[in-house]
Amino acid sequence: GENVEQHPSTLSVQEGDSAVIKCTYSDSASNYFPWYKQELGKGPQLIIDIRSNVGEKKDQRIAVTLNKTAKHFSLHITETQPEDSAVYFCAASTPYGQNFVFGPGTRLSVLP
Amino acid sequence: DAMVIQNPRYQVTQFGKPVTLSCSQTLNHNVMYWYQQKSSQAPKLLFHYYDKDFNNEADTPDNFQSRRPNTSFCFLDIRSPGLGDAAMYLCATSSSAGALSYEQYFGPGTRLTVT
Repeated sequence: GENVEQHPSTLSVQEGDSAVIKCTYSDSASNYFPWYKQELGKGPQLIIDIRSNVGEKKDQRIAVTLNKTAKHFSLHITETQPEDSAVYFCAASTPYGQNFVFGPGTRLSVLP
Repeated sequence: DAMVIQNPRYQVTQFGKPVTLSCSQTLNHNVMYWYQQKSSQAPKLLFHYYDKDFNNEADTPDNFQSRRPNTSFCFLDIRSPGLGDAAMYLCATSSSAGALSYEQYFGPGTRLTVT
């Protein structure tokens, strides 16, 4: 079955700097890769996703890149703000699969 | 606004006393999921409904059951909660219409405490 690894487990950056979180997956059939942000005491919120027919997707300060050959994808947050502090989860899903496999999460702290 | 609603947000139950958590959605999504999330861990899928079809994960304990009486509502029943069942329980929904893979939208969760 699918296995998703995520690094780093914790990340601290200064406000205004960039943050990068990386994930790898094992199942070459996976074709959908969402990223979720989870604030304390809340449910995960979908912030961006990418499908295997594209290599990069951007939404304002957030971007995701996908390398299908290497089976890894990354989340990039530019100009970080204190409100970006949260736990971020990557996930992978196969075609027509109803289920995600989540990475273990990255706790991001943006220091003012 | 279309959303996923979970009630209650906080639930305290006694060891061994059955408890039911509820989820409703206004998104008209045909797939509904229940996840368990323990502190500092990723959500763990317990089961999901694809329309009326129930799909149980292989490692979900028999202590956990689910009901989906209609498209909008889904319930999680824990028959005899143990201390190890204390966790955040997350409901999520997705639609299988018009996409190869399905975006999942999560509710705010129910924090379960077992005393």
